[in-house]
Amino acid sequence: EADIYQTPRYLVIGTGKKITLECSQTMGHDKMYWYQQDPGMELHLIHYSYGVNSTEKGDLSSESTVSRIRTEHFPLTLESARPSHTSQYLCASSPPGQGWNEQFFGPGTRLTVL
Amino acid sequence: SQKIEQNSEALNIQEGKTATLTCNYTNYSPAYLQWYRQDPGRGPVFLLLIRENEKEKRKERLKVTFDTTLKQSLFHITASQPADSATYLCALDKSTGRRALTFGSGTRLQVQP
Repeated sequence: EADIYQTPRYLVIGTGKKITLECSQTMGHDKMYWYQQDPGMELHLIHYSYGVNSTEKGDLSSESTVSRIRTEHFPLTLESARPSHTSQYLCASSPPGQGWNEQFFGPGTRLTVL
Repeated sequence: SQKIEQNSEALNIQEGKTATLTCNYTNYSPAYLQWYRQDPGRGPVFLLLIRENEKEKRKERLKVTFDTTLKQSLFHITASQPADSATYLCALDKSTGRRALTFGSGTRLQVQP
């Protein structure tokens, strides 16, 4: 079982609310990622980070933002949630070294915006 | 455009048989390819990684092949068990220097007892 945690596991909120999805890992991994996944569909990379103070946008355009102030923490924020943001959000991390390391995933946050 | 294709139809097999899943890609030149298992409502779990200069990789009942000419990877589970029922995802890098993966949509495997 990987030491990567996401909270909350489930979140139902109204349109216009600001939300932050938390992701933490205790493995000392430098690389961290956020993916969005709809049921039965592929994972889409929305943000990634190679280390502290490093963040990049992924393949899928997202209105969310991320920060990486500490190695172990990679929160994702939506300033104003909309129904189109309803999805599963998965956080992952990868250890230092060459690019071909496996990713360790958290359990995910299922977000529903009403 | 770059594509990763996995059979979207579920694969149903009998317990004890070998399951073979396919991952095809176009317009990629990946340095490596990975396979993950995902159970409903959970995050993917890493299974195997194979590099472009490797033809085959094994781990217990799992075997992965990687044919860069055909642009295809095959994932085999021998002596399959009902507990192997899950969705299996392939993932590869874009070889652009970015240390991130692009995932296929996965194939759901159902092993009947």
